[in-house]
Formats: sequence, structure tokens, C-alpha cells
Amino acid sequence: GENVEQHPSTLSVQEGDSAVIKCTYSDSASNYFPWYKQELGKRPQLIIDIRSNVGEKKDQRIAVTLNKTAKHFSLHITETQPEDSAVYFCAAKATDSWGKLQFGAGTQVVVTP
Amino acid sequence: KAGVTQTPRYLIKTRGQQVTLSCSPISGHRSVSWYQQTPGQGLQFLFEYFSETQRNKGNFPGRFSGRQFSNSRSEMNVSTLELGDSALYLCASSSGLAYKETQYFGPGTRLLVL
Repeated sequence: GENVEQHPSTLSVQEGDSAVIKCTYSDSASNYFPWYKQELGKRPQLIIDIRSNVGEKKDQRIAVTLNKTAKHFSLHITETQPEDSAVYFCAAKATDSWGKLQFGAGTQVVVTP
Repeated sequence: KAGVTQTPRYLIKTRGQQVTLSCSPISGHRSVSWYQQTPGQGLQFLFEYFSETQRNKGNFPGRFSGRQFSNSRSEMNVSTLELGDSALYLCASSSGLAYKETQYFGPGTRLLVL
């Protein structure tokens, strides 16, 4: 089955710097890759997603890149702010796997002022 | 549109009991997926329901079951609770259609088994 690995497990950055989180997946049938942000005690919130027919997508300070050949995708956050501090999860889903998101283990991001 | 809601938000049960959790999806969404979140195992998929039918199932024992009603509301049931079932149970709703599979999560039900 699908396996998603996420690195690093923790990431500490200075306010204003960039943060990068990387994920690799194993199932070549995966074609949908969302990223979620989960603050302490809150629900996971979708921040950006990308499909396999697109190599890059950007939304303000957040961007995601996908390399289908290498089976990896990355989240880039620029000009980090203290409110970006949270746990970030990557996920992958195959077309024929109804409703099943396979999640990475998560990255704890801490942005220090 | 109202977001995904889950009830109850917190539950305390003892080993051997059973529990039923409820999830109301976003209006118009016909798919509900359930996940278990624990510090050790992360987010794990339990099952997905679409139009009252289970379409997909994760690797959980038969003690975990679910159902979906005609209004798309879903329930999950855990029988014969074990200490290891203590977790945050999240549901997520989506359209359920191919290429429109964005999932929106509810606030979760935190279950503690003593």
C-alpha cells in the first residue's frame, strides 16, 4: 500500500526566513497531494493541494512542488511569521482509493520572533 | 456554508464499553472519511462512506464500524473498547467525486479509554 515519508520531523526557523518540508510517496498511482496545517487542539486545515498533472502551485507565501518521476513533493513557506507555527502534514491519495488520504508523520514548525 | 461538525467533542469510557461518534458533513458533500489520530501512529484512515455505502476501509479490526445515513451524516462505532483506542477521531467530508476529492476536517472527538 501507499507509504508517505515526511522530513524533517521538527523545523525551527527565524521569523522572515523560509521553511521547506519534504515528502516522498511510494504508490505511483497517487495523483492528489494535499497539505494540512494543524494548530494545537485544532482540526487539520487544508492550506494547499496539488494534482499530478501540475508541477507547482503557489498561494501567496505558500508553494508546493511535485516531482512525479522522483515521487516527492515539497511545501515551501516564505517570509515565515509566528502564526505559521504549527504541525504540517503532507498526504497522498490514489485515484482508485476512495476517501483515503495517506498521511506523513508531520513536521512541527516553530517560528521564533 | 457551515463546516463539518462532530459530536460529542469529548468522551471518557472504560475498557469493554462501546462508543458511537457522529459526523455531519458540509452541506452538499456526500462522502465522509474517518481517521484516528494518535501521537504514536499519526493520522490513520479508518473508512470512507459515500451515499450510504462503504467504499473503502483501512487496516483496523472489526471492532471499528461505521454507517452513513441518507442525509450524509455518518456515525462510527467502536465496540469492546481497549486502552489503545484512546485517540482523537476525526471525520472529513468531501464531494466524493473523482478529481474533486478535497477533504475538510471536523474538530474531532477526543476519546479517552480508562
